[in-house]
Amino acid sequence: EVQLVQSGAEVKKPGEALKISCKGSGYTFTNYWIAWVRQMPGKGLEWMGIIYPGDSDTRYSPSFQGQVTISADKSITTAYLQWSSLKASDTAMYYCARKTSGWYPVDYWGQGTLVTVSS
Amino acid sequence: EIVLTQSPGTLSLSPGERATLSCRASQSVSSSYLAWYQHRPGQAPRLLIFGASSRATGIPDRFSGSGSGTDFTLTISRLEPEDFAVYYCQQYANSPVTFGQGTKLEIK
Repeated sequence: EVQLVQSGAEVKKPGEALKISCKGSGYTFTNYWIAWVRQMPGKGLEWMGIIYPGDSDTRYSPSFQGQVTISADKSITTAYLQWSSLKASDTAMYYCARKTSGWYPVDYWGQGTLVTVSS
Repeated sequence: EIVLTQSPGTLSLSPGERATLSCRASQSVSSSYLAWYQHRPGQAPRLLIFGASSRATGIPDRFSGSGSGTDFTLTISRLEPEDFAVYYCQQYANSPVTFGQGTKLEIK
């Protein structure tokens, strides 16, 4: 069974760093892309970027380039989303999702990680 | 960037009725690389349709997708109680991938 299990909710202060994770199982981790999607409170879904754990090829949406870092450790089948200095506007639910190569959308999603940034 | 506009914003219907959701793109979506997702509160989004009209694995046949170019439609033929949720369209033809703003399907 394909599963993407994300790390738990986080409460942070502005300016703090954070790294959240997404562990894949039930499939060959290095053969699929992992995307990150943001959902701000009461808002819709926003594509942040995507990584191919097989070779760490990473592509960011222009809105998120330079704001976050996406990485992966294929040895432990885990992808990461990190911030060096959080802002209150980073408060959101963050989802990871799997995508096969080629012209297909993401198919399986993680359960989401709620990040709250507040002083 | 391709902007997707969904309508209506909210759709109020009763179980057993037919739902028609629209997604319009700011430019043509190549090869109909358009997907639909269902998002229930507190759950992960679920892929319903890809390639504009292909149902994803395990999706009931009451869900159907159609359209091409800039106009796409998701139809739910007979609403079940579990179908009341938010629905998003997504284009994955052009970078960056973009989503519509969502249509909330609520019980009337």
